[in-house]
Amino acid sequence: QVQLVQSGAEVKKPGASVKVSCKASGYIFTNYCMHWVRQAPGQGLEWMGIIYPSSGDTSYAQNFQGRVSMTRDTSTNTVYMDLSSLRSEDTAVYFCARGWGSGFYYMDVWGKGTTVTVSS
Amino acid sequence: QSALTQPRSVSGSPGQSVTISCTGTSSDVGGYNYVSWYQHLPGQDPKLIIYDVNKRPSRVPDRFSASKSGNTASLTISGLQAEDEADYYCCSYAGGGTYGVFGTGTQVTVL
Repeated sequence: QVQLVQSGAEVKKPGASVKVSCKASGYIFTNYCMHWVRQAPGQGLEWMGIIYPSSGDTSYAQNFQGRVSMTRDTSTNTVYMDLSSLRSEDTAVYFCARGWGSGFYYMDVWGKGTTVTVSS
Repeated sequence: QSALTQPRSVSGSPGQSVTISCTGTSSDVGGYNYVSWYQHLPGQDPKLIIYDVNKRPSRVPDRFSASKSGNTASLTISGLQAEDEADYYCCSYAGGGTYGVFGTGTQVTVL
């Protein structure tokens, strides 16, 4: 079955970077894109960006421009989300989600989430 | 890009209907027919329940319906059930490389 398995929880200090992975299985990896979405404690969902595994092309939300980088490894069917210059407000659960449907705008399968805690 | 506006909470008794509004602008909800809705239970991953404004994935019961008028999209849950208690988020394509702007989220409580 289609599955997205994310890496484990991370604790980082302010100013550091974090890299979260998302390994896909059960479908043709390069036929779909991958979104990243986060949810801070007590807050709503926030779209961060998208990567097309077939080409490596990306598009990032304005709020994260310059701080986020999304990459992929087609040999392992894995996408990565790298967030730099971390601050306490980046403490959140980070989800990867497969893009599906019209323009791949929709997120039909989600990972279980990776908790990132930023604390000194 | 600002978050779409949803009511913080709505509630209803079992069997009743509730409607959640999602207000954006002509740059997102009003400009495209790419609105989706997600059901999110705490501690779980969100589930897609509506796409293309008013279409349901096959596994989603027809108690869930949705529509759009101008800059406002709406989700209606008919025949409310205890299992529907969750947070609901709308999401819209916004062009210019912004594939998703989420709503502020609505907590649905079944009384």
